[in-house]
Amino acid sequence: DQQVKQNSPSLSVQEGRISILNCDYTNSMFDYFLWYKKYPAEGPTFLISISSIKDKNEDGRFTVFLNKSAKHLSLHIVPSQPGDSAVYFCAASGGHYGGSQGNLIFGKGTKLSVKP
Amino acid sequence: DAGVTQSPTHLIKTRGQQVTLRCSPKSGHDTVSWYQQALGQGPQFIFQYYEEEERQRGNFPDRFSGHQFPNYSSELNVNALLLGDSALYLCASSLWDRGDYGYTFGSGTRLTVV
Repeated sequence: DQQVKQNSPSLSVQEGRISILNCDYTNSMFDYFLWYKKYPAEGPTFLISISSIKDKNEDGRFTVFLNKSAKHLSLHIVPSQPGDSAVYFCAASGGHYGGSQGNLIFGKGTKLSVKP
Repeated sequence: DAGVTQSPTHLIKTRGQQVTLRCSPKSGHDTVSWYQQALGQGPQFIFQYYEEEERQRGNFPDRFSGHQFPNYSSELNVNALLLGDSALYLCASSLWDRGDYGYTFGSGTRLTVV
């Protein structure tokens, strides 16, 4: 039973336009959410995160929005660039274990293609 | 500054065999986590090591075991390989006391079981 769902396997966007990637979760105990970007033959790279006490976090062209009541988060990329073409994973954590990070629960990913 | 290094990058094993995958964490990191990514799926947490002990474990059978060495490097061992163990195995390192989710992932080991 998937606790983190990315219902769109792929998304195609024109360069310069906005890319919106969506993620839904089922476990209300999740308190931290992250987005990772993955190119072929490379490991996932951390992109941006958000704590459950916030509803928005921005970092340059990337903004993550969290709607706790809907158990939904989204990643906005503005403006989209061809180099953003990759697989994007949404991940969630139920909190810290001891002094460390808890394990992450990932969605299946959304493949973003940004066309020039 | 080297990131997370995993070896080998690819390997092919026969069903029933045993395999060992290796991971060297990013310089300065002391915690290693292992994830399995099957085709078309997101990474799935296997276990996490800190101070040479398994600290957390995901929903994986005992055929999956690990080890962390005093230099923080780690091994993932899988016994009695099944065809379903074919996947990309990712190692992620982090700093235990940092308390955030600053994982650095390696590029992974692609395991094919035939």
